Amino acid sequence: GESVGLHLPTLSVQEGDNSIINCAYSNSASDYFIWYKQESGKGPQFIIDIRSNMDKRQGQRVTVLLNKTVKHLSLQIAATQPGDSAVYFCAENIKGAQKLVFGQGTRLTINP
Amino acid sequence: NAGVMQNPRHLVRRRGQEARLRCSPMKGHSHVYWYRQLPEEGLKFMVYLQKENIIDESGMPKERFSAEFPKEGPSILRIQQVVRGDSAAYFCASSRGQVGQPQHFGDGTRLSIL
Repeated sequence: GESVGLHLPTLSVQEGDNSIINCAYSNSASDYFIWYKQESGKGPQFIIDIRSNMDKRQGQRVTVLLNKTVKHLSLQIAATQPGDSAVYFCAENIKGAQKLVFGQGTRLTINP
Repeated sequence: NAGVMQNPRHLVRRRGQEARLRCSPMKGHSHVYWYRQLPEEGLKFMVYLQKENIIDESGMPKERFSAEFPKEGPSILRIQQVVRGDSAAYFCASSRGQVGQPQHFGDGTRLSIL
């Protein structure tokens, strides 16, 4: 389930299931989007990116979907594994600005 | 591994002291970005630099904070006269600077103010 407030939203899934992490971005002028994975004590690790002229991009076990109409981004992780446990952030790059605006983050926990 | 290197990983300072955080970008990257992260929050942009130039410092406090990226050597984020509220994780990222090129992050410096 999800909890929102002072703590990060949390998504719990069973190992082997698919995970979907959602993100609402703020600026319609954003032209480039990135999903990062952050493990405890480490920096954000690049997972996958997508430009605004696309609506879907696939990587290894991950898919990013972009809906510009409602300013929504999602990350799908197939067959989640224990190593997928982390906090996931979406980030948007505002056109011409060369700086990333990060979303709140979602903590993904994998149940054995 | 020629990733983004930050040092020190942990830094403890007393109120009023200076903190210097260093960042060496990935090989081939000439664009450096600094971000700050509080616990349970996303990263907040501070400053964007290219060699010898500050491009965008809109996220950096006007007082006590400064950043540089000299022609030779790492980028430095400097915090003078630190206060308790400066305690945070500071992350550096680098990129090639072209549109559609991702920023790659180091593992950060955790700054604690006593």
